[in-house]
Amino acid sequence: DGGITQSPKYLFRKEGQNVTLSCEQNLNHDAMYWYRQDPGQGLRLIYYSQIVNDFQKGDIAEGYSVSREKKESFPLTVTSAQKNPTAFYLCASSTDITGELFFGEGSRLTVL
Amino acid sequence: DQQVKQNSPSLSVQEGRISILNCDYTNSMFDYFLWYKKYPAEGPTFLISISSIKDKNEDGRFTVFLNKSAKHLSLHIVPSQPGDSAVYFCAASALGAGNMLTFGGGTRLMVKP
Repeated sequence: DGGITQSPKYLFRKEGQNVTLSCEQNLNHDAMYWYRQDPGQGLRLIYYSQIVNDFQKGDIAEGYSVSREKKESFPLTVTSAQKNPTAFYLCASSTDITGELFFGEGSRLTVL
Repeated sequence: DQQVKQNSPSLSVQEGRISILNCDYTNSMFDYFLWYKKYPAEGPTFLISISSIKDKNEDGRFTVFLNKSAKHLSLHIVPSQPGDSAVYFCAASALGAGNMLTFGGGTRLMVKP
């Protein structure tokens, strides 16, 4: 089945550690996105990539990094520079036409 | 500055009645609007969309209304069912913006049996 797979689903991290969240899609979508959701808040865009080997900062990119070496993969690294990393992270992909995003099931990161 | 706002953080409705979720936007360049539904600890799923050339789009129990002059859209669910209980996000995009969606803060809908 086509879809987006995020891993791990739950992740605990100590302060000062970097952590990488995986996102893989087999929908043949060119565009991929990372969003963050905090309780009571909407989805905020961290980074997006419209094509392989290219990515752009979203609204809250500070403390995060990404890579897009393959069309199928868009990993997100939460660095120690991110001041408040505990959140629910959502990866998404889309074609260029419909505007509809397809989301993964999310990864919940907790910093201890 | 929030370009897409959902002013009601929560809504409680009796099963069988109508649920109306509202969304306001400020950017007049937005021309495509979507609603997503999200259960706890899951990713949002697409529900229904509308382009700015229409003022209504219907899909089963779900209808989205767009009032461009008021920069307002609403999602109607009739009849509401307990399984509809979730957080609903309104999102908007502008042609040429590369599918960059701007999301509202979400409204938590609770449908009581």
